[in-house]
Amino acid sequence: DIQMTQSPSSVSASVGDRVTITCRASQGINSWLAWYQQKPGKAPKLLIYAASSLQSGVPSRFSGSGSGTDFTLTISSLQPEDFATYYCQQANSFPYTFGQGTKLEIK
Amino acid sequence: EVQLVQSGAEVKMPGESLKISCKGSGYSFTNYWIAWVRQMPDKGLQWMGIIYPGNSDTTYSPSFQGQVTISADKSISTAYLQWSNLKASDTAMYYCAIGLYYVGTFQGAFDIWGQGTMVTVSS
Repeated sequence: DIQMTQSPSSVSASVGDRVTITCRASQGINSWLAWYQQKPGKAPKLLIYAASSLQSGVPSRFSGSGSGTDFTLTISSLQPEDFATYYCQQANSFPYTFGQGTKLEIK
Repeated sequence: EVQLVQSGAEVKMPGESLKISCKGSGYSFTNYWIAWVRQMPDKGLQWMGIIYPGNSDTTYSPSFQGQVTISADKSISTAYLQWSNLKASDTAMYYCAIGLYYVGTFQGAFDIWGQGTMVTVSS
């Protein structure tokens, strides 16, 4: 299986801050990477697919980049509703796998 | 509106069997991959497996192979996840999700999720 490692595991930030979350794959996955946001008690929400494609309806302050083994999710200016847990997921080969998650907390 | 509606919460005893469901509507059920994802209490997401309802092509994560069975009944647009011998460690929220397609190509991501089914296994 391809292992996905996110960093940091948690981060504290303030409204208006720029935040970057990193995801590293244990082997190359081209651009087959998705990012999700999950709030407590809710199902995950797709933010980014194909490493950098913004899912319809997702605010443009979210962006993704990377290819191969190293990827980033950037939130350009944090809004109150962005405090949540974020997961990356590789889609290069079955079985798909998720990172362990990054909890974004209010400072 | 495209949606997945999952069956309700379950409380079972160890050793019992269980089948939970995920009903799709608002789209062509047979033409989109459906995945199952586990989330144990206060833990992260785990990808369990995936099924293509059109031909029942199914792939499991090795972590779940032999532990669960994924199936689909395209006549009623419903996917299933079942256990034959539940364990306490199966206690979790289970989500189904539809694969995202762009220009007719599956992107490997999942854009529509069910509301989740909480399974509690306890003696």
